[in-house]
Amino acid sequence: DAGVTQSPTHLIKTRGQQVTLRCSPISGHKSVSWYQQVLGQGPQFIFQYYEKEERGRGNFPDRFSARQFPNYSSELNVNALLLGDSALYLCASSQLEAGETQYFGPGTRLLVL
Amino acid sequence: AQSVTQPDIHITVSEGASLELRCNYSYGATPYLFWYVQSPGQGLQLLLKYFSGDTLVQGIKGFEAEFKRSQSSFNLRKPSVHWSDAAEYFCASRRSGATNKLIFGTGTLLAVQP
Repeated sequence: DAGVTQSPTHLIKTRGQQVTLRCSPISGHKSVSWYQQVLGQGPQFIFQYYEKEERGRGNFPDRFSARQFPNYSSELNVNALLLGDSALYLCASSQLEAGETQYFGPGTRLLVL
Repeated sequence: AQSVTQPDIHITVSEGASLELRCNYSYGATPYLFWYVQSPGQGLQLLLKYFSGDTLVQGIKGFEAEFKRSQSSFNLRKPSVHWSDAAEYFCASRRSGATNKLIFGTGTLLAVQP
């Protein structure tokens, strides 16, 4: 079975632009979570979606939004990009809303210039 | 507030030597605890997890971790390190019964000397 997939792998944007990152969970997994990993830090929780509904939100500004589609794939949108948004964005999936194990994708590396 | 502390930012060990990476958590009840490994430019791979029961947990790649409630610790160990173990290691916790939100430590970067 395929693991969690994310696209694109790398992205370069300029300040003020908007970006959309995509995630496809493992087949059968209904929960998707997004994390931001700034260089030299551990991942920080951004959102969790389960059955297309937001189930949790981390301490991120409203410029960050997400959604989950009927096939359980998900998109993370970031508006009005700042230099500080440069990071590795990780997606994780699990079967349940509070599933035992989350499986992470390879991430999308975003660079904001 | 829930938090995870990894006191060692960087550790260097010789190949074949034993390894222990430290992790301390802060949470009123017993959390779910995890160790993940991240190779350069890659996502996170789960090494092992603790939810309840036996406090010594076996994982993949020969790793094990021991949960010690009295010390609020969940240290990762390996008896003999291989060069391929060089990577960054993250300890994480999650509240039992809550959502999937993981709280990560800042990571420990492991270098392996030949």
